[in-house]
Amino acid sequence: EDKVVQSPLSLVVHEGDTVTLNCSYEVTNFRSLLWYKQEKKAPTFLFMLTSSGIEKKSGRLSSILDKKELFSILNITATQTGDSAVYLCATISNFGNEKLTFGTGTRLTIIP
Amino acid sequence: DAGVTQSPTHLIKTRGQQVTLRCSPKSGHDTVSWYQQALGQGPQFIFQYYEEEERQRGNFPDRFSGHQFPNYSSELNVNALLLGDSALYLCASSFLGARNEQFFGPGTRLTVL
Repeated sequence: EDKVVQSPLSLVVHEGDTVTLNCSYEVTNFRSLLWYKQEKKAPTFLFMLTSSGIEKKSGRLSSILDKKELFSILNITATQTGDSAVYLCATISNFGNEKLTFGTGTRLTIIP
Repeated sequence: DAGVTQSPTHLIKTRGQQVTLRCSPKSGHDTVSWYQQALGQGPQFIFQYYEEEERQRGNFPDRFSGHQFPNYSSELNVNALLLGDSALYLCASSFLGARNEQFFGPGTRLTVL
């Protein structure tokens, strides 16, 4: 059974700090890893990573995938209060028919 | 362009009752997946519909059933509700051939008393 583990479970930092969120996975026939941000209800898409070593960037957020060590990190620099949310990591397997397997998420709280 | 929509927003039921949740996918999408998210947990895959057929099912009992209509919208039905069915139910849509990200709706918050 596919497995996704995120750490830490929760994180509280001050505005302006840099944070690193971790995601490790065990997936049969891995295809892609996705990061979502969930503020209240609907998870919103951040990144999809398929190849190792390619860093994806969007403003202050960046993410990298290591397919050899089976993990990904999500970095947020110069954090703002609007970054407070649950960050979800999910994987897709080639056998999964587009089924997403999620981790439990990391709850990030930014203190002004 | 409307994104994924779900109805109702909130629902309160009692044990043993039945519930139907609805989802309309993003325009151009043909695949709908349903997820259950318990408090403090990540979403868990329930099942996925494509071309009005259930393509894949997660580890959920037969009390959970679904349907997809010709216009790609979908319903999730849960029979004989249990307290443990209380959760946020999320619908996600995608285009099967594109192999890109799934877009999520705002969810339906189901409370079973």
